[in-house]
Amino acid sequence: AQTVTQSQPEMSVQEAETVTLSCTYDTSESNYYLFWYKQPPSRQMILVIRQEAYKQQNATENRFSVNFQKAAKSFSLKISDSQLGDTAMYFCAFMIAGSARQLTFGSGTQLTVLP
Amino acid sequence: AAGVIQSPRHLIKEKRETATLKCYPIPRHDTVYWYQQGPGQDPQFLISFYEKMQSDKGSIPDRFSAQQFSDYHSELNMSSLELGDSALYFCASSLVLAGVGGSGNEQFFGPGTRLTVL
Repeated sequence: AQTVTQSQPEMSVQEAETVTLSCTYDTSESNYYLFWYKQPPSRQMILVIRQEAYKQQNATENRFSVNFQKAAKSFSLKISDSQLGDTAMYFCAFMIAGSARQLTFGSGTQLTVLP
Repeated sequence: AAGVIQSPRHLIKEKRETATLKCYPIPRHDTVYWYQQGPGQDPQFLISFYEKMQSDKGSIPDRFSAQQFSDYHSELNMSSLELGDSALYFCASSLVLAGVGGSGNEQFFGPGTRLTVL
């Protein structure tokens, strides 16, 4: 079974600053995907960024980037130039590669961007 | 762009009643997933369907059943509702691509159905 751990229940950051959210996972699989989802107060689940485990290059999406350390089973999310709209719950998620596989989520980190 | 549609958005039921949640995936998506998110919890996987066949099964109670129809929409049927079933129920859809080089079976989530059991 796969497990995903987010050890930071809450974090805050000043607007325009940079913040890093941590995530570790445990699996015996070799082919898998990692995701960060954002859930704002509307409760909509929004995909922020995706990383394929076979890729060594860290994924980036505009102000969002990850630090993927496969050997350490670590997958952190860095948000640069934080904006008020980034305030949300952030979930790290794991999925085994293959057809129609389930997402396993971490417990989430509530990020608050302060003006 | 079209998104995943869920109906109803809100539902209030009494204990022991039944409820049916509907999900309409993004056009041309062939896979549907159901997740349950309790208050203050992370989403928990319930069940998935690929090409109208059950694909994966998680912590779905025996009181719940689901299916995917010929038009790819899916319904989650919940019977003998309990107070603990009060949650946000998400449907997600994806287009399954073979091989490691695919899009990662990225799942797109609907807005959720908030079920309250009184």
